[in-house]
Amino acid sequence: GENVEQHPSTLSVQEGDSAVIKCTYSDSASNYFPWYKQELGKRPQLIIDIRSNVGEKKDQRIAVTLNKTAKHFSLHITETQPEDSAVYFCAAITFNFGNEKLTFGTGTRLTIIP
Amino acid sequence: KAGVTQTPRYLIKTRGQQVTLSCSPISGHRSVSWYQQTPGQGLQFLFEYFSETQRNKGNFPGRFSGRQFSNSRSEMNVSTLELGDSALYLCASSLRPPGTANEKLFFGSGTQLSVL
Repeated sequence: GENVEQHPSTLSVQEGDSAVIKCTYSDSASNYFPWYKQELGKRPQLIIDIRSNVGEKKDQRIAVTLNKTAKHFSLHITETQPEDSAVYFCAAITFNFGNEKLTFGTGTRLTIIP
Repeated sequence: KAGVTQTPRYLIKTRGQQVTLSCSPISGHRSVSWYQQTPGQGLQFLFEYFSETQRNKGNFPGRFSGRQFSNSRSEMNVSTLELGDSALYLCASSLRPPGTANEKLFFGSGTQLSVL
């Protein structure tokens, strides 16, 4: 089955600096990679996603890059702010005999230090 | 438009008991998926339903089961509870199955289950 590895598990960044979270996947057929953000005590919410036919996608301070050859994708947050503190989950579509499913990484706890 | 509703919000059970959790998806959504969240373990996939059919199942023992009703509401059942079952159980709904590209999942607030 598909395996999605996410690193690091925890990350502390000074406010204003950039944060990068990396994920790797094993199924070369995976074609959709969303990122979810879960603030403390709240539900996960989609913040950005990327399809396999695109190498990079940006939305204000967040961006996601995809390297299909190496089978890894990354979340980049620039000019970090306190409200960026949360757990971030990457995910990839995995294929299972026609029943594609979404497989999540183990999450990264990002802490922004004021 | 109401979001995904999970009940109950908190639950305390003892070992050996069974529990049923409920998830009401956003109106019009036909897909419901369930996840177990524990510190350090991320979102572990339990199962996924679409139009009352189980499409995928995670690597959990048979004590974990679920179903979906014709109105798309879903229930999850855990029998013979163990201490290790203590976790936050999240459900998510979507229009199409989660494995569909560009399909956004909408999560509920979860049910926090504590097994004593």
